[in-house]
Amino acid sequence: DAGVIQSPRHEVTEMGQEVTLRCKPISGHNSLFWYRQTMMRGLELLIYFNNNVPIDDSGMPEDRFSAKMPNASFSTLKIQPSEPRDSAVYFCASSFQRNYGYTFGSGTRLTVV
Amino acid sequence: KQEVTQIPAALSVPEGENLVLNCSFTDSAIYNLQWFRQDPGKGLTSLLLIQSSQREQTSGRLNASLDKSSGRSTLYIAASQPGDSATYLCAVSTNSGNTPLVFGKGTRLSVIA
Repeated sequence: DAGVIQSPRHEVTEMGQEVTLRCKPISGHNSLFWYRQTMMRGLELLIYFNNNVPIDDSGMPEDRFSAKMPNASFSTLKIQPSEPRDSAVYFCASSFQRNYGYTFGSGTRLTVV
Repeated sequence: KQEVTQIPAALSVPEGENLVLNCSFTDSAIYNLQWFRQDPGKGLTSLLLIQSSQREQTSGRLNASLDKSSGRSTLYIAASQPGDSATYLCAVSTNSGNTPLVFGKGTRLSVIA
């Protein structure tokens, strides 16, 4: 089991550019979560999916953020256009059932200059 | 809305000392509680998962307790080592559906050799 796989590990982009973050959950897991971590606010939930369906996107900060899960093995988080205040570490996590807890990926460190 | 608080925010102890990290949550209707460890610049590693029906879980030198009615959990680390230095995060999942984890802001632990 390779765990939750995120790419890229680091992304540096200029303000106004489109950024796409990718996540491959653990095979067999049916829930996927996107979190953002900053020093000021800690870990915040952005959106989560159950069985590929978005359930709650109330944490997505603005319309510039969008997320998709086209199949059980892949999800993307897109920011368009990016802004310096989007700089943070973005984590993806997956779970099978809540009884078994969550597994996190290694995160994508995004820097928008 | 569930809120999770961790005290202290930072802790520095000499090697060999036993220590306790505290976590409190406002809504006692939780499904489970999970403790994570995060090393600087890294992802989250799950340490212990306690179901709402359980009182404690143990793994090696770590022991986590849960008092659901009072909205509290503690993480006890025995005979601390410099390698235990990291940020420890507490997170709870509430009862309604497969709802996401809500995180505290963590306790940053430094174990001094």
